[in-house]
Amino acid sequence: AAGVIQSPRHLIKEKRETATLKCYPIPRHDTVYWYQQGPGQDPQFLISFYEKMQSDKGSIPDRFSAQQFSDYHSELNMSSLELGDSALYFCASSSEQGAKGYTFGSGTRLTVV
Amino acid sequence: AQSVAQPEDQVNVAEGNPLTVKCTYSVSGNPYLFWYVQYPNRGLQFLLKYITGDNLVKGSYGFEAEFNKSQTSFHLKKPSALVSDSALYFCAVRPYYNNAGNMLTFGGGTRLMVKP
Repeated sequence: AAGVIQSPRHLIKEKRETATLKCYPIPRHDTVYWYQQGPGQDPQFLISFYEKMQSDKGSIPDRFSAQQFSDYHSELNMSSLELGDSALYFCASSSEQGAKGYTFGSGTRLTVV
Repeated sequence: AQSVAQPEDQVNVAEGNPLTVKCTYSVSGNPYLFWYVQYPNRGLQFLLKYITGDNLVKGSYGFEAEFNKSQTSFHLKKPSALVSDSALYFCAVRPYYNNAGNMLTFGGGTRLMVKP
């Protein structure tokens, strides 16, 4: 079965650079979620999109933005990177706005040096 | 706002013994409840969920969990632990009615260590 695909798997950036993370949800899933998991932390909700419109917003810094495209893939854009942005970034998708569960991708590990 | 508590940072159990990983939640109205497992440097793998119906939910790899509404708990259990069950376990919740958002809120995670 198709899963949630995230790219790249690993990314190393320097401080103040920008990064773009991509997420391809499961076909026919209507909602995409982004989470950030710092070292030793639980996943923290950043932002979500339902049918290509932003639906919920969590603890996403102003330096970050995200969007969902017509093919339902989503991109998380991160600018002015800071050392503290080093984390595992997960994308998840769901149908019926989560009523049947959520499927997570394998994540993108971002390291800011 | 919803929240999840996993009171134990780590649970140690001997292989072959039963295991329990605790989870309590706070949410307005009825909850959707989930358990995920995370192996080192890996993504979150779905174990099981409670939406409605039978309070005892059976999931992947022999895990099960019991929804207890009066105690607002959703403890994860397995009758006989395996060394390969050693991982980080997350409990998560979202409210049944999504006027507060339909994203998952996670607990802090519990590290399960199964010793041979």
